[in-house]
Amino acid sequence: AQSVTQPDIHITVSEGASLELRCNYSYGATPYLFWYVQSPGQGLQLLLKYFSGDTLVQGIKGFEAEFKRSQSSFNLRKPSVHWSDAAEYFCAVGADDYKLSFGAGTTVTVRA
Amino acid sequence: NAGVTQTPKFRVLKTGQSMTLLCAQDMNHEYMYWYRQDPGMGLRLIHYSVGEGTTAKGEVPDGYNVSRLKKQNFLLGLESAAPSQTSVYFCASRMTSGASHEQYFGPGTRLTVT
Repeated sequence: AQSVTQPDIHITVSEGASLELRCNYSYGATPYLFWYVQSPGQGLQLLLKYFSGDTLVQGIKGFEAEFKRSQSSFNLRKPSVHWSDAAEYFCAVGADDYKLSFGAGTTVTVRA
Repeated sequence: NAGVTQTPKFRVLKTGQSMTLLCAQDMNHEYMYWYRQDPGMGLRLIHYSVGEGTTAKGEVPDGYNVSRLKKQNFLLGLESAAPSQTSVYFCASRMTSGASHEQYFGPGTRLTVT
């Protein structure tokens, strides 16, 4: 079965600084990979996804992520963070069994 | 297009009471899911359904039952609520074709069991 690890529970970043959130997955074959964002009190919104092709994927809100098979990673990046990016971010991996496995999440705090 | 909706948004139960959470989607999706979200644990799958009339257990099914009598609805039941079921519950759905596995989420139901 697939699994996901997000090593960072909480990250604090200054507004305008760059952000990188780490995600490592465990799965034997090529996985389907996702990043979701959850603002306080809200549901989950898809930021971006990877399932084949170019390993650098662009998403909404200026986010991008890179799939690195050799490192089993799918890290999320944003060059310049805005205060509205303060939220919880979840990495998820899907396989051919209809299900997604989610990481525990990384909370991002943006300081002025 | 409302997407995925959940009813109710908030609920407080006493231990031992029962309730049903309703999830509805208008995207004609075949697959539907119920998750619970607890601090530091991400989302954990409770039950899921791959089509009308079919359900299956997920990672944490104990204490919950589900039904999928209509394609657009997926109900989650708690027969005898326990404080350990205090959580935020999310419903999600996805299509079968396209194979991208993207799930669309509802806004959540915050349940407190006292």
